[in-house]
Amino acid sequence: EAGVTQSPTHLIKTRGQQATLRCSPISGHTSVYWYQQALGLGLQFLLWYDEGEERNRGNFPPRFSGRQFPNYSSELNVNALELEDSALYLCASSLYGGGYIQYFGAGTRLSVL
Amino acid sequence: GENVEQHPSTLSVQEGDSAVIKCTYSDSASNYFPWYKQELGKRPQLIIDIRSNVGEKKDQRIAVTLNKTAKHFSLHITETQPEDSAVYFCAASQGGGTSYGKLTFGQGTILTVHP
Repeated sequence: EAGVTQSPTHLIKTRGQQATLRCSPISGHTSVYWYQQALGLGLQFLLWYDEGEERNRGNFPPRFSGRQFPNYSSELNVNALELEDSALYLCASSLYGGGYIQYFGAGTRLSVL
Repeated sequence: GENVEQHPSTLSVQEGDSAVIKCTYSDSASNYFPWYKQELGKRPQLIIDIRSNVGEKKDQRIAVTLNKTAKHFSLHITETQPEDSAVYFCAASQGGGTSYGKLTFGQGTILTVHP
């Protein structure tokens, strides 16, 4: 069974640009979560999507947004990139939402120059 | 919102020794507490989890204990091996409310097991 897959592995952008990160959950999982892991810090919750709807959002500005597609894959968009957005962005999926085991992907390393 | 504090930030042990990592959480509504291991450059992997209706859970050399009254939970690794060296994260989650669905993570513990 394939795990959570994320693309691209690395992404280099300049300040002010937009970044799009993609995530495919484990087959059968309906919930997708996004986390930011800045260097030396723990994981910070960004967004949770379930059945195509945004269910919860972390303390991040509105330029962090996303969506979930009918096949349960998800996209994270970061607009007006700032230097401090440089981080590892991790996607996780779970069988159902809330309180179920979250399985993580390998992440997308976003570097903002 | 929920806040999770994790200690120590670094832990160095000799092979064969035990290692203990402790976390405290702030929201008494939290009811699910997973532990993840993240090796350098790899994804976080769940190693053990516990729910609020259980006080202790074991899986071979790994155990987790939960004290709901004190709002803290701990990871215990016995007979440590060099391959246990990694960053360990605790997390807390709720089944409802404003923190529904999300995991709130501790800051991580860098465990080094010396051969």
